[in-house]
Amino acid sequence: GEDVEQSLFLSVREGDSSVINCTYTDSSSTYLYWYKQEPGAGLQLLTYIFSNMDMKQDQRLTVLLNKKDKHLSLRIADTQTGDSAIYFCAESISGGGADGLTFGKGTHLIIQP
Amino acid sequence: DAGITQSPRHKVTETGTPVTLRCHQTENHRYMYWYRQDPGHGLRLIHYSYGVKDTDKGEVSDGYSVSRSKTEDFLLTLESATSSQTSVYFCAISEVLADTGELFFGEGSRLTVL
Repeated sequence: GEDVEQSLFLSVREGDSSVINCTYTDSSSTYLYWYKQEPGAGLQLLTYIFSNMDMKQDQRLTVLLNKKDKHLSLRIADTQTGDSAIYFCAESISGGGADGLTFGKGTHLIIQP
Repeated sequence: DAGITQSPRHKVTETGTPVTLRCHQTENHRYMYWYRQDPGHGLRLIHYSYGVKDTDKGEVSDGYSVSRSKTEDFLLTLESATSSQTSVYFCAISEVLADTGELFFGEGSRLTVL
């Protein structure tokens, strides 16, 4: 079955880069996603990467995909206090997305002043 | 923001009582999902729907039923609530034929079963 693994906590200093890592199992996933959840709110899509890409950059966010190792990472440059949240890695359950997404347990990003 | 409304947003109930959570969307998306979020477990799929009256089970469907009589509404029912069903429930919608198949989430419904 599908499984998505990520570490539960990451603590970084304000202004440093944050790197959140994720491993997934379903090699047929067309897209891989990073969602952000702020306290008391629902999940919002942060960014995604198509499976035939190695890297995607969007302002302060860089996503790296290693398909051989089934490893996905999210780098947040110049981390700010507003980046404090839970970050979820997700993959398509059936490869096509109709059956929903499988989420990791989420990484709590803690920002130290 | 995607037009998704969950109700109620907060509910406290007693063991053995029935509970229905409602998800209403204004996006006319075909696919709708119910997830539950628990500490240490992340989000887990309960049920999903791929059209009116078309539903299927997810990873943690035991103790839950769903119904979708209209495109815009997806109901999640706990026939006899148990303490293990204390959780935050999220509805999500998707239009898979769209570019990325991403899910859009509601704000969540916090259910406490005493």
